[in-house]
Amino acid sequence: EADIYQTPRYLVIGTGKKITLECSQTMGHDKMYWYQQDPGMELHLIHYSYGVNSTEKGDLSSESTVSRIRTEHFPLTLESARPSHTSQYLCASSEAAQPQHFGDGTRLSIL
Amino acid sequence: QKEVEQNSGPLSVPEGAIASLNCTYSDRGSQSFFWYRQYSGKSPELIMSIYSNGDKEDGRFTAQLNKASQYVSLLIRDSQPSDSATYLCAVTDGGATNKLIFGTGTLLAVQP
Repeated sequence: EADIYQTPRYLVIGTGKKITLECSQTMGHDKMYWYQQDPGMELHLIHYSYGVNSTEKGDLSSESTVSRIRTEHFPLTLESARPSHTSQYLCASSEAAQPQHFGDGTRLSIL
Repeated sequence: QKEVEQNSGPLSVPEGAIASLNCTYSDRGSQSFFWYRQYSGKSPELIMSIYSNGDKEDGRFTAQLNKASQYVSLLIRDSQPSDSATYLCAVTDGGATNKLIFGTGTLLAVQP
């Protein structure tokens, strides 16, 4: 069973605030991913990382940024939240060609 | 543009029947294929992986892969109401990135 943790689970916050969504995994996986998913809609990859100090933008353009300073930690930051950022954010990790395992997600609501 | 296509459904089957979910992909270089189950409001959960042509069985689930036809399917035998969820087909891209390309998912509804 994969051990990947996301905090907070739910966040309701006002426009203009800086937000950091946390994602940590205890499996030592090199590869980590952030997806965005609106209710009933498909998953969109917004960022990924293949290791420390490696980050790439995904297929869906996002105003968020990520960092990978430690193998186990892959936080996502929004400098100034807007209502259009309201969505569910899912973090995943994997090793080599193995399947990705997902955290429980953060449901973000910007007022 | 690499694509994974699924029928969005909903696919409705009676309890105890076999549910058949299908997926086609465009990238011939894809090597790994996965089925995820996603309940409403939850994150995707891996239920099957398949890497070579043929069938792979795990309990009530059978994944089938045909690389020549670029087709992967999932059969759920003895469907239960608890199987009602969206099933996502995911395929690795043909490069070395291990990025997954997800289909839009098929909504399965098992009627008691």
